[in-house]
Amino acid sequence: AQSVTQLGSHVSVSEGALVLLRCNYSSSVPPYLFWYVQYPNQGLQLLLKYTSAATLVKGINGFEAEFKKSETSFHLTKPSAHMSDAAEYFCAVTSPAYSGAGSYQLTFGKGTKLSVIP
Amino acid sequence: DADVTQTPRNRITKTGKRIMLECSQTKGHDRMYWYRQDPGLGLRLIYYSFDVKDINKGEISDGYSVSRQAQAKFSLSLESAIPNQTALYFCAISQSGADEQYFGPGTRLTVT
Repeated sequence: AQSVTQLGSHVSVSEGALVLLRCNYSSSVPPYLFWYVQYPNQGLQLLLKYTSAATLVKGINGFEAEFKKSETSFHLTKPSAHMSDAAEYFCAVTSPAYSGAGSYQLTFGKGTKLSVIP
Repeated sequence: DADVTQTPRNRITKTGKRIMLECSQTKGHDRMYWYRQDPGLGLRLIYYSFDVKDINKGEISDGYSVSRQAQAKFSLSLESAIPNQTALYFCAISQSGADEQYFGPGTRLTVT
């Protein structure tokens, strides 16, 4: 079984400030982890993914995330927020090594809406 | 052209009506998925298909059915729509189970 918890359904930051969106996962086998972004009235777009290589993953638009196994976390960060970062962000987990029912399913967190204040 | 297209983009229907949402892809991926998105609940998996002959129920399949007409086409049907099926529906594709999923633009369905 696998699950994702995103802390904070809404996060507000000032333009130019650090963005930190939190994601904790639960998985019985080594996970693959993803961050997706959804802009208003659009589908989901992949920001970055962790697939058991480097623990610090760099994505598009200046975002990065660090896989910390000891903390079961995969928090998303960006050093300086831009107005265009305002969107909803989803963390997701899949467990490719799990062969039981539900294998290869992507489980999403409930999302965090990021607002950027001018 | 978009990799994943969904039709219709918006639909309003009445309780009890049958409705079909269609998804098609141009990437040649084997795996296709249907999700629904509700505010505050994230995305939940309805059905997924690994190939034309392999269809599996997801977390919330009750009240829905699917058809994989071809590798590139995966349709979602609501046999008798009810108001709590009002949601945003997304189709997604992937090369394999461990790969990223590519999402369509979504269909906003309202059941009155």
